[in-house]
Amino acid sequence: GQQLNQSPQSMFIQEGEDVSMNCTSSSIFNTWLWYKQDPGEGPVLLIALYKAGELTSNGRLTAQFGTTRKDSFLNISASIPSDVGIYFCAGIYSGGGADGLTFGKGTHLIIQP
Amino acid sequence: EPEVTQTPSHQVTQMGQEVILRCVPISNHLYFYWYRQILGQKVEFLVSFYNNEISEKSEIFDDQFSVERPDGSNFTLKIRSTKLEDSAMYFCARSRDRGGQPQHFGDGTRLSIL
Repeated sequence: GQQLNQSPQSMFIQEGEDVSMNCTSSSIFNTWLWYKQDPGEGPVLLIALYKAGELTSNGRLTAQFGTTRKDSFLNISASIPSDVGIYFCAGIYSGGGADGLTFGKGTHLIIQP
Repeated sequence: EPEVTQTPSHQVTQMGQEVILRCVPISNHLYFYWYRQILGQKVEFLVSFYNNEISEKSEIFDDQFSVERPDGSNFTLKIRSTKLEDSAMYFCARSRDRGGQPQHFGDGTRLSIL
């Protein structure tokens, strides 16, 4: 199946710092989605991207759909304690049946006091 | 509050038994999905369902699994003859349309096989 390489695997930051994480693939994806998952809960959609080059913001979050359609990044500005969690990128592979999401392995964000 | 309600929140079952996981989407979205997340790993697609039939399934979704929407409301995932490696979180998701429309997830059912 298709693979999404998400990095970094984990981040230890101070409150107030900016955060950047990204996903890459050797395959072309039609859609990129970014989710956040808190312990014991399901993934919650943060941002959806549909066009190559698209840059979209949701509050302190900004994400971009790479121009090659093989990558995406998520930035979080001025991090706060409630940003702690696992962030997943997910995409719809252009060559597949266009239903199931392919997920990255996640970036675990930890904010140090 | 999740837009998809899943029951039960936790299911403990003996190996070899059958389990049925249920999903009740609150809105009238038409596309439904099941995903699996083994502890500490990424979320994996199992199957998508539209208009009372499977529209796509992954290689994980073998003959042990089946899905249906028997009463037009509940969307179920049945796992026959469970194995230890079936222990995972199972998430139901919904979307308004296919092909990249945002999929919204429930809080999952934790399945523990003993």
